[in-house]
Amino acid sequence: DAGITQSPRHKVTETGTPVTLRCHQTENHRYMYWYRQDPGHGLRLIHYSYGVKDTDKGEVSDGYSVSRSKTEDFLLTLESATSSQTSVYFCAISESSQRDYGYTFGSGTRLTVV
Amino acid sequence: GNSVTQMEGPVTLSEEAFLTINCTYTATGYPSLFWYVQYPGEGLQLLLKATKADDKGSNKGFEATYRKETTSFHLEKGSVQVSDSAVYFCALSVGGYQKVTFGTGTKLQVIP
Repeated sequence: DAGITQSPRHKVTETGTPVTLRCHQTENHRYMYWYRQDPGHGLRLIHYSYGVKDTDKGEVSDGYSVSRSKTEDFLLTLESATSSQTSVYFCAISESSQRDYGYTFGSGTRLTVV
Repeated sequence: GNSVTQMEGPVTLSEEAFLTINCTYTATGYPSLFWYVQYPGEGLQLLLKATKADDKGSNKGFEATYRKETTSFHLEKGSVQVSDSAVYFCALSVGGYQKVTFGTGTKLQVIP
């Protein structure tokens, strides 16, 4: 298996609290991505990173921020969690920016905001 | 923009039946096309891919052909097994940091 782990696997948090999800990889891949998975929407890109300290927004970035201080770690922060951010969050990695490379996914974090 | 449209699920088949899951796309630029599979409680796994027109991707008995003229990438398998029960996602990438656009997923249930 590719070395990509997400933590925590499950989390319940209260509305208005900050939450940080972690993605850790041991593959030394340059490109990392955060997606959220919701019924009827498939997976939607939140943020991505193309190197240490290099990040950019995806299509659903409002209310989220990211940081990448080391190649192996990509953190997703919900600044003030809302019920609409209840979702399953997936991290993915890729060794190339070329269009013909696929992703390797982590196992996901199920987040519930109450 | 880029988008992927998949057939609505769930799809329920008997073991050994023929499977087709339809996928069409719109893209700015020349995309690569992918099928990913998600088993219950797990992340997505790359199943197969095709990077240019008329290419056929194949893996584990699944196949899909890149049809540029019909902007389609339908997934097929000749004889499904109970172990194929999962959610299948069609996806595309046009480059630019490899941002991938996913369809909504199609759930497949195979009954013995």
